[in-house]
Amino acid sequence: DQQVKQNSPSLSVQEGRISILNCDYTNSMFDYFLWYKKYPAEGPTFLISISSIKDKNEDGRFTVFLNKSAKHLSLHIVPSQPGDSAVYFCAASVSTNFGNEKLTFGTGTRLTIIP
Amino acid sequence: DAGVIQSPRHEVTEMGQEVTLRCKPISGHNSLFWYRQTMMRGLELLIYFNNNVPIDDSGMPEDRFSAKMPNASFSTLKIQPSEPRDSAVYFCASSYNTRDGYFGPGTRLTVL
Repeated sequence: DQQVKQNSPSLSVQEGRISILNCDYTNSMFDYFLWYKKYPAEGPTFLISISSIKDKNEDGRFTVFLNKSAKHLSLHIVPSQPGDSAVYFCAASVSTNFGNEKLTFGTGTRLTIIP
Repeated sequence: DAGVIQSPRHEVTEMGQEVTLRCKPISGHNSLFWYRQTMMRGLELLIYFNNNVPIDDSGMPEDRFSAKMPNASFSTLKIQPSEPRDSAVYFCASSYNTRDGYFGPGTRLTVL
């Protein structure tokens, strides 16, 4: 049972335009969400995160939006650049006192930026 | 820092053989995670350790899979016997009291 879903396996966007990657989740206990970026033959790298107490977090060209009622989050990249071409994974976790909670990942969306 | 180190980077083996994947986490990190990536299921957490102790192994597919962390700087994931459906990319990640772990480059396993 996939608790974190990325329903678009791929997305193509013109350079300079906005890229919007979507993610849905089913577990209402999730309260922390992350986006990872993965280039071929490399491991995923952390991009941006958001806690459930917020509905938006921005870092440079990257903004993550969280809609808790819809159990939906999205990653916006503006403007899109060729170096943004990669696979993007959405991940979610449930906070504990541990600090190193496990992450549940989606299946990924391959973003291609067209020059 | 060299980051998370995984070996081998590629492994091709025949069905029924034992496979051992290795991971060296970032020095000072206290948590280590093993993930498997497939097209159908994306990144799945197999097991994670905190201070060398297994905390959650609910993602380990079956008894053919085992993982150890004998010390803070080394972990292994073993598959015995291996099957073609185990073919995937296996990632190791480490972190220190945060959820945004650092991933290694992965081991691409092919079981024929």
